[in-house]
Amino acid sequence: GDSVTQMEGPVTLSEEAFLTINCTYTATGYPSLFWYVQYPGEGLQLLLKATKADDKGSNKGFEATYRKETTSFHLEKGSVQVSDSAVYFCASKTSYDKVIFGPGTSLSVIP
Amino acid sequence: NAGVTQTPKFQVLKTGQSMTLQCAQDMNHEYMSWYRQDPGMGLRLIHYSVGAGITDQGEVPNGYNVSRSTTEDFPLRLLSAAPSQTSVYFCASSYSWGSYNSPLHFGNGTRLTVT
Repeated sequence: GDSVTQMEGPVTLSEEAFLTINCTYTATGYPSLFWYVQYPGEGLQLLLKATKADDKGSNKGFEATYRKETTSFHLEKGSVQVSDSAVYFCASKTSYDKVIFGPGTSLSVIP
Repeated sequence: NAGVTQTPKFQVLKTGQSMTLQCAQDMNHEYMSWYRQDPGMGLRLIHYSVGAGITDQGEVPNGYNVSRSTTEDFPLRLLSAAPSQTSVYFCASSYSWGSYNSPLHFGNGTRLTVT
């Protein structure tokens, strides 16, 4: 069945470091791909999305490119801040609207 | 604009008790769903609805009931609580259930402990 795999962490980085969180998916058909972020004590919020191959989603300095050939959607940011500390979830969505989430990656950014 | 509102925020139950987690959205979304979040397991879909009067089971439906009498509300009922239901529960909605593009909008969650 459909699934999403991502590095679980926790990931600890110093402020201004480069961030990569890997995400790969398996799906029948061509899903839309999403990154959600969860700040402590809150629900998930959409961070960015891509709906077809080679699309790049971007928001708040984060980017991810839909790579059909490697079935990947890795999240990157060039310079992280303390305020980026959160849990990040990769997700895929098929036409049946059952969104599949990865296990989440906890990120801590230290000053 | 309130978005997705969940109540209560915290709840403690004893084994065998029943309760209803409330979820309401004011965005006129067709699709609503319930997830549970457990450490190391990400989010798992419990039940979902693609419109008023229509519900279906997700990945982990046992022990939970839902109904959708209006577009706005989608309550989750625990009939007889068990310690295995200790979790954080999230309600989420989206504009069009058939669309690839519409993201989920989440409530802030209900933290449930069953003793």
